[in-house]
Amino acid sequence: GAGVSQSPSNKVTEKGKDVELRCDPISGHTALYWYRQSLGQGLEFLIYFQGNSAPDKSGLPSDRFSAERTGGSVSTLTIQRTQQEDSAVYLCASSSIGADTQYFGPGTRLTVL
Amino acid sequence: GQQVMQIPQYQHVQEGEDFTTYCNSSTTLSNIQWYKQRPGGHPVFLIQLVKSGEVKKQKRLTFQFGEAKKNSSLHITATQTTDVGTYFCAGRVDSSYKLIFGSGTRLLVRP
Repeated sequence: GAGVSQSPSNKVTEKGKDVELRCDPISGHTALYWYRQSLGQGLEFLIYFQGNSAPDKSGLPSDRFSAERTGGSVSTLTIQRTQQEDSAVYLCASSSIGADTQYFGPGTRLTVL
Repeated sequence: GQQVMQIPQYQHVQEGEDFTTYCNSSTTLSNIQWYKQRPGGHPVFLIQLVKSGEVKKQKRLTFQFGEAKKNSSLHITATQTTDVGTYFCAGRVDSSYKLIFGSGTRLLVRP
């Protein structure tokens, strides 16, 4: 079946502009995660959605970052007034309820000039 | 805060040599997962360990979970060029849905 998809695959933007990154999880997966991976680094947890519960936003680095998940499926990560240090690969993952395995999307490479 | 440390950061081996990466957590984990990320790719789930002292094997890969459930290792026997990539451990604390990822070990294999 279809895996996790993310769009765009690459995004180049100018400092100060807003960007939206999209994630389509695996159908039926109720849990959705966003991570950030800087070049050669590990995965930094950003936010977690589980069904209709309030999201865990504890990993968002600043109030410029926000995310929503509509209808328990598609999620959008928004970064306002982008800064150069926001440049990274943003990875989305989903998992089915009761299961621990996370399935990752291909990521969006964000470059802030 | 909760941390998962992973060593070494890099390992460069000759094809056919063995490879091991180690993870250590500051707190007891309910389970630990391992992921592999090929260059330019995304992390792919390899395995999950749940029980204290658990050992699991996948062909040339051997995964161990420590008795205290605070450390884990991944050992690859007789590396091949297809093993190239970054290996991440990721631990879960209590019933939290959050995975705490290690910093990863990048494996390079000389043919």
